[in-house]
Amino acid sequence: QVQLVESGGGVVQPGRSLRLSCAASGFTFSTYGMHWVRQAPGKGLEWVSLIWYDGSKENYADSVKGRFTISRDNSKNTLYLQMNSLRAEDTAVYYCARDMTTVTPGPFDIWGQGTMVTVSS
Amino acid sequence: QVVLTQSPSASASLGASVKLTCTLSSGHSSYAIAWHQQQPEKGPRYLMKLNSDGSHSKGDGIPDRFSGSSSGAERYLTISSLQSEDEADYYCQIWGTGIRVFGGGTKLTVL
Repeated sequence: QVQLVESGGGVVQPGRSLRLSCAASGFTFSTYGMHWVRQAPGKGLEWVSLIWYDGSKENYADSVKGRFTISRDNSKNTLYLQMNSLRAEDTAVYYCARDMTTVTPGPFDIWGQGTMVTVSS
Repeated sequence: QVVLTQSPSASASLGASVKLTCTLSSGHSSYAIAWHQQQPEKGPRYLMKLNSDGSHSKGDGIPDRFSGSSSGAERYLTISSLQSEDEADYYCQIWGTGIRVFGGGTKLTVL
């Protein structure tokens, strides 16, 4: 069964850091590009970051560039998002998602259930 | 940069059909999109990939009631025989090298 399970969310003060994890199962993790997408309370979906299947390239939304770092460990089938210098506007549910196609860009075909991050003093 | 425009809300009666629209910004009418459904308090679910010629490929387990079509810069999601569980937010998405973009979403109410 193809599955993505996020963890690591919680309440954190502004300016602090948090690391999210996404455990993948049921497919060959090392052949797919992976993403983080977030959704602020009552808002729509916002793409956050992408990492290529082999970890060779990363891309970020302007809103998180320089503060967030995406990474992956293909030996552990796990995706990460290191979030530094957190702001109130980073409060959201964070989802990991899989590209439908291997190697080339594509839409997301598998989503996790999400983990909530609340940035508040 | 490409922009995807969706109406904020739509409604239709139980058992009826509804057609949701995603409009691609000028100069991007040849792009394929994807449709995703997000039921209340759940993560999104992939529905289908929809090409500019109207051909589409659905995700595993997506009922035949869901179909897609295209006309120019418009991409449509049609849901027939509406059921209560179809009440959800629907998002369109495009993709490119190093970027993914979502529309603002349409909240569908089943009356």
